[in-house]
Amino acid sequence: SQLAEENLWALSVHEGESVTVNCSYKTSITALQWYRQKSGEGPAQLILIRSNEREKRNGRLRATLDTSSQSSSLSITATRCEDTAVYFCATDPGGNYKPTFGKGTSLVVHP
Amino acid sequence: ETAVFQTPNYHVTQVGNEVSFNCKQTLGHDTMYWYKQDSKKLLKIMFSYNNKQLIVNETVPRRFSPQSSDKAHLNLRIKSVEPEDSAVYLCASSSRDWGSEQYFGPGTRLTVL
Repeated sequence: SQLAEENLWALSVHEGESVTVNCSYKTSITALQWYRQKSGEGPAQLILIRSNEREKRNGRLRATLDTSSQSSSLSITATRCEDTAVYFCATDPGGNYKPTFGKGTSLVVHP
Repeated sequence: ETAVFQTPNYHVTQVGNEVSFNCKQTLGHDTMYWYKQDSKKLLKIMFSYNNKQLIVNETVPRRFSPQSSDKAHLNLRIKSVEPEDSAVYLCASSSRDWGSEQYFGPGTRLTVL
């Protein structure tokens, strides 16, 4: 079965710095989504990037997708303390209602 | 803005008891999901429902049974809970299949003593 996973488990930055979270997956996909989960909350979608897209932006967030290397990245510029959360990538090959989430990357943004 | 509601927020119970969790979405979505999130934050799909029909049952023990009365509600019952069932159970909904965003509820944290 497909597996999506982040390459790093924990990251720590200071406010204002930029940070990138990476994700790799093992089978073909139709789309990849990035989610953020703050403490005590459910995940919230940040960006959905389809297999025919190479880059997608949402404010300070930028996601890239490289289907040849089966990898994606999420970059956050000008980080804020409120960006502290766990970041997940998620995939679902062919829309079969079985989303697979990566292991998550914990990001801490220090003042 | 909360659109996926889960009750209860927390539940502590003893091994062997039965528990039920409720989920309701007010987004008019056709598809709902149950996920299990363990202590390491790993999220795993358990069940997917589309228009009240079970379409995914992802190798979940038989003591877990989802129930859907209409497409806005998806409940989860666990008969005879075991210690490894301790986790956060997250409900989500989406308007259709994978091409759309999933909206998650806040989760129900289950502790089995």
